[in-house]
Amino acid sequence: QVQLVESGGGLVRPGGSLRLSCAASGFTFSDYYMNWIRQAPGKGLEWVSFISGGGSTIYYTDSVKGRFTISRDNAKNSLYLQMNSLRADDTAVYYCARRGSGAAANDYWGQGTLVTVSS
Amino acid sequence: QSVLTQPPSASGTPGQRVTISCSGRYSNIGTNTVTWYQQLPGTAPKLLIYTNSQRPSGVPDRFSGSKSGTSASLAISGLQSEDEADYYCAAWDDSLNAVVFGGGTKLTVL
Repeated sequence: QVQLVESGGGLVRPGGSLRLSCAASGFTFSDYYMNWIRQAPGKGLEWVSFISGGGSTIYYTDSVKGRFTISRDNAKNSLYLQMNSLRADDTAVYYCARRGSGAAANDYWGQGTLVTVSS
Repeated sequence: QSVLTQPPSASGTPGQRVTISCSGRYSNIGTNTVTWYQQLPGTAPKLLIYTNSQRPSGVPDRFSGSKSGTSASLAISGLQSEDEADYYCAAWDDSLNAVVFGGGTKLTVL
């Protein structure tokens, strides 16, 4: 069965860095685009970034461009999000999700990992 | 302010049919497919509808989606208490080169 398990969240000071990981299993990881999507406490969903199966196509939402970097290691079935220059408004639960049929259609989601940016 | 516009709340009684709207523009809903998610309290979102009207395996046929022009709708018939959740629409936006979400609709079953 498909499983996505995020890790790496925690408390970080403004301006700090954090690297999130997502371990995938139960499917051929390299065949799928993967997404990071976040949800601030009590707020709605916000797409952050996606990466193609081979890693050659990457997009980011404007608010994280230049600060966040998405990457993947298909040999390790893992997805990553390097987050630098973190700000208070980056505080959210970060989900990794597998893209299915359609650019916005994510058919499997992880349980999420909480990132809190606070002094 | 979300790129896609949804009503913040909706409600219905058990057995009733409710609809949730999602309004966008040509660059998103007008030219790309719409996806709907259901998020139960404290859980990750679940894919409910993709490609405007397709249901993944396991999603009851009480849930249906439609799209017309720059708007889309999610309909839930035979409303049940377990349908009480937040619902989000999403689409790719060709102008922003980004996936855009609606602000979410909180559905209450009275």
